[in-house]
Amino acid sequence: RKEVEQDPGPFNVPEGATVAFNCTYSNSASQSFFWYRQDCRKEPKLLMSVYSSGNEDGRFTAQLNRASQYISLLIRDSKLSDSATYLCVVMGDYGGSQGNLIFGKGTKLSVKP
Amino acid sequence: DTEVTQTPKHLVMGMTNKKSLKCEQHMGHRAMYWYKQKAKKPPELMFVYSYEKLSINESVPSRFSPECPNSSLLNLHLHALQPEDSALYLCASGQGSSGNTIYFGEGSWLTVV
Repeated sequence: RKEVEQDPGPFNVPEGATVAFNCTYSNSASQSFFWYRQDCRKEPKLLMSVYSSGNEDGRFTAQLNRASQYISLLIRDSKLSDSATYLCVVMGDYGGSQGNLIFGKGTKLSVKP
Repeated sequence: DTEVTQTPKHLVMGMTNKKSLKCEQHMGHRAMYWYKQKAKKPPELMFVYSYEKLSINESVPSRFSPECPNSSLLNLHLHALQPEDSALYLCASGQGSSGNTIYFGEGSWLTVV
């Protein structure tokens, strides 16, 4: 079983649509969770951290369900500029040497006019 | 703009060449990372340095040799690479503990001919 699994995508949506990404992780001891965004031929950039209480940043809402080991990202009123690959990321723990990021394969989003 | 600086942005090298990729951060982060990313794949961890000491080597071939001269610098020495090593090499830094954000540089595009 892969450590971090995401919807395979791609998602092709019209402007203004609401789109949801889902992700599951296998290590129940994982403590930190993130969504990164990566544009074509660019580096990954942090979109938002994910907390059990849920967190919102403008049009973006992230949710974590520890019991189900499930992470989600909701984008409302999608814009053309939201087109990118969205990476679900879990921070691994190498038994004391912490801080490594484990990436899902990413889901490509294309927002069309 | 990223606060992790990588040079060069692009590198073309022959299979017998020796070259180095360089990374610098001035955020006081204690952990630095090398990731490798192939086209349409997520980043894969290569090495982690924590407090200037190598803490993780993800079974990377010895033709890749990391070096951490001080807490702000991270190098990746390349020797006798193969064409399949062509990829985007991403440097990142973070506090190295669970919950802290990891920031990526813009990456170095490496082509081995």
